Parts: sequence; C-alpha cells; structure tokens
Amino acid sequence: GQNIDQPTEMTATEGAIVQINCTYQTSGFNGLFWYQQHAGEAPTFLSYNVLDGLEEKGRFSSFLSRSKGYSYLLLKELQMKDSASYLCAPSGGYNKLIFGAGTRLAVHP
Amino acid sequence: ETGVTQSPTHLIKTRGQQVTLRCSSQSGHNTVSWYQQALGQGPQFIFQYYREEENGRGNFPPRFSGLQFPNYSSELNVNALELDDSALYLCASTNPIAQGAGELFFGEGSRLTVL
Repeated sequence: GQNIDQPTEMTATEGAIVQINCTYQTSGFNGLFWYQQHAGEAPTFLSYNVLDGLEEKGRFSSFLSRSKGYSYLLLKELQMKDSASYLCAPSGGYNKLIFGAGTRLAVHP
Repeated sequence: ETGVTQSPTHLIKTRGQQVTLRCSSQSGHNTVSWYQQALGQGPQFIFQYYREEENGRGNFPPRFSGLQFPNYSSELNVNALELDDSALYLCASTNPIAQGAGELFFGEGSRLTVL
C-alpha cells in the first residue's frame, strides 16, 4: 500500500528555520518531490531527491533517506510569503506523484 | 506561470450530471496527469496519459475517464456526478525524457462544485 505521513500544521517566526518531516511507504520509488502550494493556487515545484543526502537550493534544502523512508524540507530565513502548504510527494514511477495531505505552515512576525 | 492552462476555472453542476474539464499542456510536454484535490487535502492521482494512451490510474471509479489528443492536450470526463466529486481538479504536464527530475508543472485548476 501507499502511506505518506507529515504534520498537519506548523507555525514559525519570521527569520527562523523550520523543518517539515515526511515519512512514506510506497510500492515503487523513483525519487521524492516537495511542492509548495499557496491557498487557492496550484502546487509549484520546490525540490527533488533521488539519492540519499541533502540537496540545497537557496533558502530551501531537502533531505532523503531511502532506507528509512524519510525526508525533510528545511526552510531557512523564513519570510511571511513562505506561509503555505508544503506537500511531500514520493514518485511511484512514470512521474506518478503520490501526494501527502500537506503541512500548513504559518509564518508570523 | 507554468504554461499549463485549464478550463473552465470554476463550474457548478448538479448530482447525476456529466462534466468535461480541459487542459493544454506546456509546450514540449507529452505526458499529462490529472489530480483531484479536496479542500484541506493533498492532490489525489486520478490517471496519467502519455502519447494518447492511459499510462497508470489511481483509485478512482470508471466514471472518471480521460482523453489525450495528438497535440498532447487532454480532457477529464466525469459521469454521474456525486456530491463528493466537489473538488479542485488539477492538470499537470511533464516530459519525462527531456527533464532530469521529471517534475510536474501544474495548471491553476478547475474548481467543480456539485450541488
């Protein structure tokens, strides 16, 4: 079966660092994506990990451990515009992304 | 802007009716996926089309069907609408060969309300 688990909600302060964890179980695995989705908008691509380790991309970094079925998204120097839902999405092959319910992040001053 | 366009943006139907949603993929993208996103949930995979053929399907009943055309645009059809079909329907395109990560590029979605 397929199961993706991430926290429902998180809050953080502007300028701080926040880590959003994701654990997953999928029947096939072709890498893991993180997407950002602002309320009422389409998801937008943030990062992709296929090998174990950390991928850094500006203020955002993503980590993957395939053996543990675990990933996290790290957001540094938080800004108010980072308030959004963050979706963890393992790829089950042929770019079929399986999305979790998402983590709603609220950044406050 | 991802270059993926969907229409209509909003629509209201009643139970039992049928609906067709349309999607134009980003230029050069030959693969289109459809997702259903209920309020407060993540997108749920409906199916994917590659070169005009269905290439994988999620846990949705047969009344959800689709088409892909030679220009790679796509339609999602839903028959016998139910109240629970009320959701945002997202189309996403990709070109798995051309892109390293194979990330999906999403359109803004069609918000369907079933009364």
